[in-house]
Amino acid sequence: GNSVTQMEGPVTLSEEAFLTINCTYTATGYPSLFWYVQYPGEGLQLLLKATKADDKGSNKGFEATYRKETTSFHLEKGSVQVSDSAVYFCARSGAGSYQLTFGKGTKLSVIP
Amino acid sequence: EAQVTQNPRYLITVTGKKLTVTCSQNMNHEYMSWYRQDPGLGLRQIYYSMNVEVTDKGDVPEGYKVSRKEKRNFPLILESPSPNQTSLYFCASRTGGNTEAFFGQGTRLTVV
Repeated sequence: GNSVTQMEGPVTLSEEAFLTINCTYTATGYPSLFWYVQYPGEGLQLLLKATKADDKGSNKGFEATYRKETTSFHLEKGSVQVSDSAVYFCARSGAGSYQLTFGKGTKLSVIP
Repeated sequence: EAQVTQNPRYLITVTGKKLTVTCSQNMNHEYMSWYRQDPGLGLRQIYYSMNVEVTDKGDVPEGYKVSRKEKRNFPLILESPSPNQTSLYFCASRTGGNTEAFFGQGTRLTVV
């Protein structure tokens, strides 16, 4: 079946550090790939997405590139801020395009 | 404003007392789903619905019921809650394909 694997957290970084959160997915079909962010006490909201191989999604300084050859969609940001502290979820759409399968989430804490 | 609305946000109940968590979306989405979020386990899908009167089990359906009598509403029913259903619950909706899912703010349920 479909699955998404993302790096275990928690991740603690100093402000302005470089961030990478790894995500790999099962290669079934032609999924769309997503990163969602959950700020403390809130629901999930879409951070960025990519719908086909080699697409790059970007938003708020975050980027992720859809790599079909490595079945990866790693999240990166060049300089994190305290306000980026949140839980990040990688997700893929299902073969029928309606279902979303999520990774277990990675908690990021950015310290001043 | 496009949104998914869940109620209540917080609920403490006793074992065995039936409860319903409501979910409503105003985007005319066909697909709706319920997830629970638990530490270390990420998001797990409970039930989903492809359209009115069409529902199916997700990964962890035991102890839950749903109904989809109208397109906009998708309530989650716990007929006889137990302490292992203490969790954070999210409702989500989407149109499918490459589109994002929209999430409610979450319902934190405690069963004592």
